[in-house]
Amino acid sequence: GDSVTQTEGLVTVTEGLPVKLNCTYQTTYLTIAFFWYVQYLNEAPQVLLRSSTDNKRTEHQGFHATLHKSSSSFHLQKSSAQLSDSALYYCALSGSNNYAQGLTFGLGTRVSVFP
Amino acid sequence: DTTVKQNPRYKLARVGKPVNLICSQTMNHDTMYWYQKKPNQAPKLLLFYYDKILNREADTFEKFQSSRPNNSFCSLYIGSAGLEYSAMYLCASSRGGGGSYEQYFGPGTRLTVL
Repeated sequence: GDSVTQTEGLVTVTEGLPVKLNCTYQTTYLTIAFFWYVQYLNEAPQVLLRSSTDNKRTEHQGFHATLHKSSSSFHLQKSSAQLSDSALYYCALSGSNNYAQGLTFGLGTRVSVFP
Repeated sequence: DTTVKQNPRYKLARVGKPVNLICSQTMNHDTMYWYQKKPNQAPKLLLFYYDKILNREADTFEKFQSSRPNNSFCSLYIGSAGLEYSAMYLCASSRGGGGSYEQYFGPGTRLTVL
C-alpha cells in the first residue's frame, strides 16, 4: 500500500530562523497529488500547500515545497519561522485520477517556534 | 463558507453501546470522508461517500457504517463500541471526485469509550 514518512515528530526552531520538515513517500499511483496540511491548536486541519507537478515549486504563506518524484519527496520549508507557525503539520498524498479517494497521511510533525 | 461542522465535539460511550457521529457541510461538495486519528498514529481513512455511493476501506469494513441522507450531512455509526474505538474522528469534504481536490476538514469528534 501507499505510505508517507515524516521523520521528525517534533521540530523546535528559533523565530527568524529557517525550518524544514521532511516528507517522503511510497505509492503505487501513477499520478499523484501531494498536500501539506497544518493544524493549529484546537482547530481543524487546513491545506497549506498542494502539488501534483514534478519539480515545480509551490508557495503559500511563506512556505514552499517542491515535489521530486525522483527522490519520492515533498519537503516543506520556510526561510524565516514565525511564532504563529507553531502547529502540527501533516504531509499527505492521494492518487490524482478521476476517482474519489482518501488521503494517506504521515504521522505529522509538530513545530514549536521560540522567541 | 468553507466550514465543516462536527457534532458532538466530545462523546463518551459505554462498551457495547452504539455511537453515532454527525458531520455537515454547506459547500455542496460531492465527497465526504471519515478518518480516525489515534495518538501517535497517522489519520486513517475509514470510508467516504462520493455522492450517494459509499466506499469503505477493507480493513475497517465491518466496524463502521455510514449514511448520507442528503448532500450536506454524513454520519459515522458504530454498532457496538469497543475500547479500541477511542480516538479522534475527523470528517472532511471535497468538491468533485478526483483525488487531487483539496479536502476541507472539521475540528473532529473525540470519542472516549469506557
